[in-house]
Amino acid sequence: GENVEQHPSTLSVQEGDSAVIKCTYSDSASNYFPWYKQELGKGPQLIIDIRSNVGEKKDQRIAVTLNKTAKHFSLHITETQPEDSAVYFCAATFTGNQFYFGTGTSLTVIP
Amino acid sequence: GAVVSQHPSRVICKSGTSVKIECRSLDFQATTMFWYRQFPKQSLMLMATSNEGSKATYEQGVEKDKFLINHASLTLSTLTVTSAHPEDSSFYICSASALLAGVGPNEQFFGPGTRLTVL
Repeated sequence: GENVEQHPSTLSVQEGDSAVIKCTYSDSASNYFPWYKQELGKGPQLIIDIRSNVGEKKDQRIAVTLNKTAKHFSLHITETQPEDSAVYFCAATFTGNQFYFGTGTSLTVIP
Repeated sequence: GAVVSQHPSRVICKSGTSVKIECRSLDFQATTMFWYRQFPKQSLMLMATSNEGSKATYEQGVEKDKFLINHASLTLSTLTVTSAHPEDSSFYICSASALLAGVGPNEQFFGPGTRLTVL
């Protein structure tokens, strides 16, 4: 099955700086890569996703890049704000719907 | 759009009792629902996948007689933890997916989770 690795496990940045979280996957058949933000005591919320036919996608301060050859994808958050502090999970899947999640990154934005 | 609710948000029960958790898709019909379990500071662990009107498919190591899943309609799935014990204490999260206009078949929408504490 698919194996998703996520790094780093914890990340601290100063407010206004950028944060980058990287995930690698093993199954070249995976074609959908969402990123979720989870605040304490809440369910994951989809913040951005990318499909295998696209190399990059951006939504305001958030962007995701995908390198299919190297089988890795990254989340980029620019101009970080304290409210960006949360746990971020990446996932990989192919048609069939089961998601394989990364182990999560705890992001702390220091005011 | 694509809102998923869970009820209750928190439940505390005595050891040996059963607890039912409901997962509802509020504004779309969910062809597939998923149940996850999450321990503190860990990732989501898929427990089972359920399709409306058919039996759930459980992941390896998940006891189907312990965690009963019913997906009776396209908007409701329930997870019943039977004869709960302290080791069942966890955060349970459901998600739903469907074929929506403008949404690909892979997207999952997560509920807010249910915190179960078994005394």
